Amino acid sequence: EIVMTQSPDTLSVSPGERATLSCRASQSVRSNLAWYQQKPGQAPRLLIYDASTRATGIPGRFSGSGSGTEFTLTISSLQSEDFAVYYCQQYDDWPQPFGQGTIVEI
Amino acid sequence: QLQLQESGPALVKPSETLSLTCSVSGGSIFSSPYYWGWIRQPPGKGPEWIGSIYYSGRTYYNPSLKSRLTITVDTSRNQFSLELSSVTAADTAVYYCAKQAGSSPLDSWGQGNLVTVST
Repeated sequence: EIVMTQSPDTLSVSPGERATLSCRASQSVRSNLAWYQQKPGQAPRLLIYDASTRATGIPGRFSGSGSGTEFTLTISSLQSEDFAVYYCQQYDDWPQPFGQGTIVEI
Repeated sequence: QLQLQESGPALVKPSETLSLTCSVSGGSIFSSPYYWGWIRQPPGKGPEWIGSIYYSGRTYYNPSLKSRLTITVDTSRNQFSLELSSVTAADTAVYYCAKQAGSSPLDSWGQGNLVTVST
């Protein structure tokens, strides 16, 4: 069973700054990795899939990279609406666990 | 565009069975090779993948829940359902249904259904 580990648990940044979030898989998931954003009271929203492809309607300031076991989500210039919790999830094999999340806060 | 909506009780007693249904609108649940999944999120914690069912009926379960879990599809009602038996307070969570296509992420989610396990 694959285990997903995110770091850091909390990231404190200022608007306009760059944020870099990491996700590590316990074994290779190739490029079958997604990033989700979640705000209070809402369902997770798909941001990135296949490790680096932005989902429909996602701004260009969000980018993903990596393959195998190491992945990164970068937000190039944080906007106020980007302060949220971010989760990674692998869909290379069953079961399909999520990481524990990274809180991006001011 | 496909839309998903969870329905079910908000309160379940310990040791009983939690039953939820996800209604799919905007398309047939069997018209495309999608997986239909359940995810839950305890208060203040991250999402936990529960399990998925393929449109053909094949199921994939979280090993930690497998002994208590059943996911089925109702062809006549364009719905899929979750049953989790012998619940405890640890099963209290917002339960989401979602869709994914093959080796793809969960790209459409329901709004979620909070289920509390309590006497």
